Amino acid sequence: GQNIDQPTEMTATEGAIVQINCTYQTSGFNGLFWYQQHAGEAPTFLSYNVLDGLEEKGRFSSFLSRSKGYSYLLLKELQMKDSASYLCAHGREGYGQNFVFGPGTRLSVLP
Amino acid sequence: DSGVTQTPKHLITATGQRVTLRCSPRSGDLSVYWYQQSLDQGLQFLIQYYNGEERAKGNILERFSAQQFPDLHSELNLSSLELGDSALYFCASSVAGDDYEQYFGPGTRLTVT
Repeated sequence: GQNIDQPTEMTATEGAIVQINCTYQTSGFNGLFWYQQHAGEAPTFLSYNVLDGLEEKGRFSSFLSRSKGYSYLLLKELQMKDSASYLCAHGREGYGQNFVFGPGTRLSVLP
Repeated sequence: DSGVTQTPKHLITATGQRVTLRCSPRSGDLSVYWYQQSLDQGLQFLIQYYNGEERAKGNILERFSAQQFPDLHSELNLSSLELGDSALYFCASSVAGDDYEQYFGPGTRLTVT
């Protein structure tokens, strides 16, 4: 089966660092993705990990451990505009891109 | 602006009815994906088309169907609508069939009364 877990909500302060965790179980694995979604808007792609380790992209970094079924998204130097939902998703092994999304973590950045 | 367009933006209809949602992918993209997002279910992958052919299938109900036309635009048909079908329906596109970076359209908000 497939299952993805993320915390429902998190709160952090402007300028701080926050780590959003994601755990998953899947019978076939084809990469771990993070998307950002502001309220009422479409998701936008943030990062992709297929191998273990850390991928850094500006203020955002994403980590993957395939053996532990674990990933995290690290946001540094938080800004008010980072208040959004962060969706963890994995691709399923096989033909095409059959994504399974987690429930999302709603991050509130406070001044 | 992702370059993916969806129409209509909002749709209100009654139970039992049928609706068609339309999506135009970014210029040059061959794959189109459909997603449903509701408050209790989160973002659910429905179906993917690549260059006119069905490529991957997710949690799509039998009452729902989709197709991709030769000009690469896609339509999602929802029939025998139920209250629980009320949701945001997103279309996304990518260049090829196995891309991990998808570009989402603004969505169609469907309300079934």
